[in-house]
Amino acid sequence: QVQLVESGGGVVQPGRSLRLSCAASGFTLSRYGMHWVRQAPGHGLEWVAGFWADGSVQSYVDSVKGRFTISRDTSKNTLYLQMDSLRAEDTAVYHCARDESFFVFAVWGQGTMVTVSS
Amino acid sequence: QSALTQPPSASGSPGQSVTISCTGTSSDVGGYNHVSWYQHHPGKAPKLMIYEVNKRPSGVPDRFSGSKSGNTVSLTVSGLQAEDEADYYCSSYGGSNNLVFGGGTKLTVL
Repeated sequence: QVQLVESGGGVVQPGRSLRLSCAASGFTLSRYGMHWVRQAPGHGLEWVAGFWADGSVQSYVDSVKGRFTISRDTSKNTLYLQMDSLRAEDTAVYHCARDESFFVFAVWGQGTMVTVSS
Repeated sequence: QSALTQPPSASGSPGQSVTISCTGTSSDVGGYNHVSWYQHHPGKAPKLMIYEVNKRPSGVPDRFSGSKSGNTVSLTVSGLQAEDEADYYCSSYGGSNNLVFGGGTKLTVL
């Protein structure tokens, strides 16, 4: 069964770091582009970062450039999002998603909540 | 990249049709056919309903259809059913390996 399970969320102080994980099962992570999408409380979906299947591109929304890093460990079939210098506005549920062709997300995880607060 | 513009709410009675619009610019919606629609029930994972403007993934009822005109794409839900009540988001490739979502539309089945 194809599945994505996020973990690593929690409450963190502004300026601190957190690493999210997205464990894939039922398919080989390296054969697909993978992305992180977030939803802040009371707001809509926002694309955060993407990792191309061939590893040639990692792309980010402007608001997280220089602070967040997307990566993957093919041996663990897991996608990561390293979040540094966290801000209150990064508070959101973070979903990982599998890209079927070009920014077409047919498989999503349930999400993990990140709260940035002092 | 600015978010695509969607109406905050839409509604219809069971059996009726409702259309949700999503307006961008020539740099996103108008420039590419990489436009998708997602259904999102709060607390659950979003579900892909339409991709590449008007294509339906396997398993999505043909009551859901998509179209595009200029810088605006639309999602039409025909024969509304109670389970269609959800938030709907459009997304579009915005160039430079970036994706932009719409602000979301809450669909209410009266």
